[in-house]
Amino acid sequence: QKEVEQNSGPLSVPEGAIASLNCTYSDRGSQSFFWYRQYSGKSPELIMFIYSNGDKEDGRFTAQLNKASQYVSLLIRDSQPSDSATYLCAVKTGRRALTFGSGTRLQVQP
Amino acid sequence: NAGVTQTPKFQVLKTGQSMTLQCAQDMNHNSMYWYRQDPGMGLRLIYYSASEGTTDKGEVPNGYNVSRLNKREFSLRLESAAPSQTSVYFCATIGGGLHEQFFGPGTRLTVL
Repeated sequence: QKEVEQNSGPLSVPEGAIASLNCTYSDRGSQSFFWYRQYSGKSPELIMFIYSNGDKEDGRFTAQLNKASQYVSLLIRDSQPSDSATYLCAVKTGRRALTFGSGTRLQVQP
Repeated sequence: NAGVTQTPKFQVLKTGQSMTLQCAQDMNHNSMYWYRQDPGMGLRLIYYSASEGTTDKGEVPNGYNVSRLNKREFSLRLESAAPSQTSVYFCATIGGGLHEQFFGPGTRLTVL
């Protein structure tokens, strides 16, 4: 079992819709959770991080964490074509470095 | 303020050749990381340095060596390149808060 799992997609949503991206992790001791956006040919960019159970909102982005079920999700409201990218989930456990999922490709259709 | 810089941006090597990938940051961060990214594989950690003078192996260290020359610079060396090392290499830094993360632009390496 991979430590951090994401559906590779592509996830296709129409412009203006809500995009929901999911990530599951295997280590119950994981403490910090991160979402990155990566445009094709570019480097990852951190867009959200969450440490506590529940929701955290930042503009059109909401990160949701459920430690009991070991999943973290990213909601993008009012999706725009410019949101089309690969979204990487990463998890930090103790003193270990970040562990990344393989990413979900999002396509927002105009 | 350049953030994280990497050189070179592109490189083609023949099997058995050696090269060093350079990374420098101007944010005074202690922690620096080298990742490789292959299609469908996400980012995999090669080596990291929690502070100047220390380095530790990550998930995929075989075939690589690193040097933390000073607080600013963290280099990755391939002593004898192999086709399996064809990848995109990213350097990253993390500051005191985990949200202070920055990636360099990447080095696209092809080993023939």
